[in-house]
Amino acid sequence: DTGVSQDPRHKITKRGQNVTFRCDPISEHNRLYWYRQTLGQGPEFLTYFQNEAQLEKSRLLSDRFSAERPKGSFSTLEIQRTEQGDSAMYLCASSSRQGLEAFFGQGTRLTVV
Amino acid sequence: AQRVTQPEKLLSVFKGAPVELKCNYSYSGSPELFWYVQYSRQRLQLLLRHISRESIKGFTADLNKGETSFHLKKPFAQEEDSAMYYCALSANSGNTPLVFGKGTRLSVIA
Repeated sequence: DTGVSQDPRHKITKRGQNVTFRCDPISEHNRLYWYRQTLGQGPEFLTYFQNEAQLEKSRLLSDRFSAERPKGSFSTLEIQRTEQGDSAMYLCASSSRQGLEAFFGQGTRLTVV
Repeated sequence: AQRVTQPEKLLSVFKGAPVELKCNYSYSGSPELFWYVQYSRQRLQLLLRHISRESIKGFTADLNKGETSFHLKKPFAQEEDSAMYYCALSANSGNTPLVFGKGTRLSVIA
């Protein structure tokens, strides 16, 4: 599968623990996006990168969230001191440039217990 | 701020009946509008975008700037059209990340 890949697919963690998710975009895509989706909602934008530069962060992204894309290829999203409200599907997408189709990964489902 | 509204959570139609999934948006500039679809157990994927002005799987959508709408239509629904449909907007002529609606689940009954 040469599409956007996310790891892990599922994560169960205890409240207060830190978790990290990985996204591998389509190789020639320079834009990478993170979204969060909860039940009954559409995907909500969190942050995006162009190459290694983080260009925008949503107000949804609290101080406990941090994202990196160190070499302009894969990206990681870390959540520190997880809370039950962080339980959601975390989606990654990539595109070759602005305005073009964004290709989505299958997501990482996080459950905080 | 941009906003996308999909007023129906669930739409059920019989096979062969026409389908219209509604989408309204709030944005004063030049938006790019998209429809994404998610079939059962599959990832979210692009169905069509207004700038392409094409028909995909029999679906079409016309951007109506006067009514700020981008409704998705298909004249004859098929069972394989059953899925979750999301309308999305990118502001500033597509230069910003997508803003999604809450989605409409389409169920096509045989």
